Amino acid sequence: EVQLVESGGGLVPPGGSLRLSCAASGFTFSAHTMTWVRQAPGKGLEWVSGVSGNGGKTYYTDSALGRFTISRDNSKNTMFLQMTGLRVEDTAVYYCARDQTSPLRWDHWGQGTLVTVTS
Amino acid sequence: DIQMTQSPSSLSASVGDRVIITCRASQNINFNLNWYQQKPGKAPNLLIYGTSTLHSGVPSRFSGSGSGTEFTLTISNLQPEDIATYYCQQSFGNPLTFGGGTQVAIK
Repeated sequence: EVQLVESGGGLVPPGGSLRLSCAASGFTFSAHTMTWVRQAPGKGLEWVSGVSGNGGKTYYTDSALGRFTISRDNSKNTMFLQMTGLRVEDTAVYYCARDQTSPLRWDHWGQGTLVTVTS
Repeated sequence: DIQMTQSPSSLSASVGDRVIITCRASQNINFNLNWYQQKPGKAPNLLIYGTSTLHSGVPSRFSGSGSGTEFTLTISNLQPEDIATYYCQQSFGNPLTFGGGTQVAIK
């Protein structure tokens, strides 16, 4: 059974940093691009970042570029999102999701981890 | 960026009704359109991908159609467990973008 479990969320002041983790199990982790999607309280879904299976290619939305760094450790079946320079508008539940291709879609999601940026 | 516009933003229908949700893309995305269902307090779940292919385990009362810039999600015979917010999402180009969501309620 495919499982994705996020952790690392919490309360952080504006300008602070946080590292999110997504632990995967039940599938060949290195064979899949992985993605972070976030959802601000009461709002819709927003794609944030993605990383290819071998970690060689990374993708970011404009608001994340230069502040967030996505990475993965295939030996530990874990993906990370290092977030720095956090802003109030980064407050959201952050979900990790597994990519499937041809066509591209996200077929498994974690339960999410809440990041709250507040002074 | 490709803008995705859903309508309506919310709707209320009776059990057994047919419900249609529309999603419009700001440019041609061919058939690169996915639908997700999100129940309150839960993570999204994939419903339909590539415009019309049902994800594994999704009931056949859900269907998708369209191409180019206009797409629809149809729920025939609405059930109480279908109460959720539905999102379309384009997978044609980066950044990957979602529609604003359609909240479905039961009358």
